[in-house]
Amino acid sequence: KQEVTQIPAALSVPEGENLVLNCSFTDSAIYNLQWFRQDPGKGLTSLLLIQSSQREQTSGRLNASLDKSSGRSTLYIAASQPGDSATYLCAVFNNAGNMLTFGGGTRLMVKP
Amino acid sequence: NAGVTQTPKFQVLKTGQSMTLQCAQDMNHEYMSWYRQDPGMGLRLIHYSVGAGITDQGEVPNGYNVSRSTTEDFPLRLLSAAPSQTSVYFCATTLDRDYTEAFFGQGTRLTVV
Repeated sequence: KQEVTQIPAALSVPEGENLVLNCSFTDSAIYNLQWFRQDPGKGLTSLLLIQSSQREQTSGRLNASLDKSSGRSTLYIAASQPGDSATYLCAVFNNAGNMLTFGGGTRLMVKP
Repeated sequence: NAGVTQTPKFQVLKTGQSMTLQCAQDMNHEYMSWYRQDPGMGLRLIHYSVGAGITDQGEVPNGYNVSRSTTEDFPLRLLSAAPSQTSVYFCATTLDRDYTEAFFGQGTRLTVV
């Protein structure tokens, strides 16, 4: 059974720092990996999707990498801002394309 | 475009009552699914559908029914609510088998007393 782990579970940093959030998964037979942001009491907002054949994706200050063979992904946030405060979730799609398995999330607080 | 719309946003049920959580999408996506989010358990798949008329069970299907009569709608039915079904429920869609970026609704917070 696929298991997804996110480290750290919580992170508090001053504004302006560059951050790395980690995601690991036990079964490398994935279809893709997706990073989400969740604000308190809200739904999930898609940040980046990395297909299994890709190594990385970038969107603005966000960069996500994928190493399928080692079962790891990282989300890099450059020049963090208080508005980045949220929970970040990574999820992997199985090869059947019908199920996302989620990590427990990293709760990020960026202090002004 | 509204994207993925869930109703209601909040609901309180008594044990044994039934209700239907609604999910509608205007993205013309083939795949739709329901997840529940619980503290310490993360998000887990309840049921999913790969197209109108086709549904299948996910990781935690017990106590829930689904049907998919149209591409746009995917309701989740609780037949006899139990306190263990207190959770936040999310509906998600993906375009198809080949492009699986998932989009989520805003969630329904359900409390069963």
